[in-house]
Amino acid sequence: SQKIEQNSEALNIQEGKTATLTCNYTNYSPAYLQWYRQDPGRGPVFLLLIRENEKEKRKERLKVTFDTTLKQSLFHITASQPADSATYLCALNAGNNRKLIWGLGTSLAVNP
Amino acid sequence: DTGVSQDPRHKITKRGQNVTFRCDPISEHNRLYWYRQTLGQGPEFLTYFQNEAQLEKSRLLSDRFSAERPKGSFSTLEIQRTEQGDSAMYLCASSLVRGGTDTQYFGPGTRLTVL
Repeated sequence: SQKIEQNSEALNIQEGKTATLTCNYTNYSPAYLQWYRQDPGRGPVFLLLIRENEKEKRKERLKVTFDTTLKQSLFHITASQPADSATYLCALNAGNNRKLIWGLGTSLAVNP
Repeated sequence: DTGVSQDPRHKITKRGQNVTFRCDPISEHNRLYWYRQTLGQGPEFLTYFQNEAQLEKSRLLSDRFSAERPKGSFSTLEIQRTEQGDSAMYLCASSLVRGGTDTQYFGPGTRLTVL
């Protein structure tokens, strides 16, 4: 069956360190993959999109990689801050304007 | 504020009652999605519209759920004969699909509690 997997356990890191979150998928050939941030009680907020022909995308302290051979995307937050604490969701699209398929999210806690 | 808005933000109802939620998308967006989310889970797809056409409805969705987008602008989601298992956050998102990408912008959600 088709599915997306993200780190199921919460990630706790020290302020200033780099957080790395993983998104693995099976039985898809996505045209692109997206990462969203969600704070408690609020809707997800779009962060980054990376296409299948892109290896890496950066935005300020955020970096996303996309390995279509491994069927994996990594999401990095460098110089992490307590304000980065949230749940991070990955979502992928299989092309042809099909709807997004969502992972369950990974909770990140950055400790001061 | 030109973001996605949802109304109400919170709804408490008794089992068996009907509830209706409203979503106002970003004005130029052609797609509108409804999701349901429970604690610790990702958004669960319910249905989506492209303009006024409802293109897909989740097979997990019972006949008690119905959605409309009558003029291709705002949308309503109705749940009839609510059950305790319907308690969740209901999220609406809109997007402008172009260049093959679908970046979704979410509203604040409506939290439903069924007693």
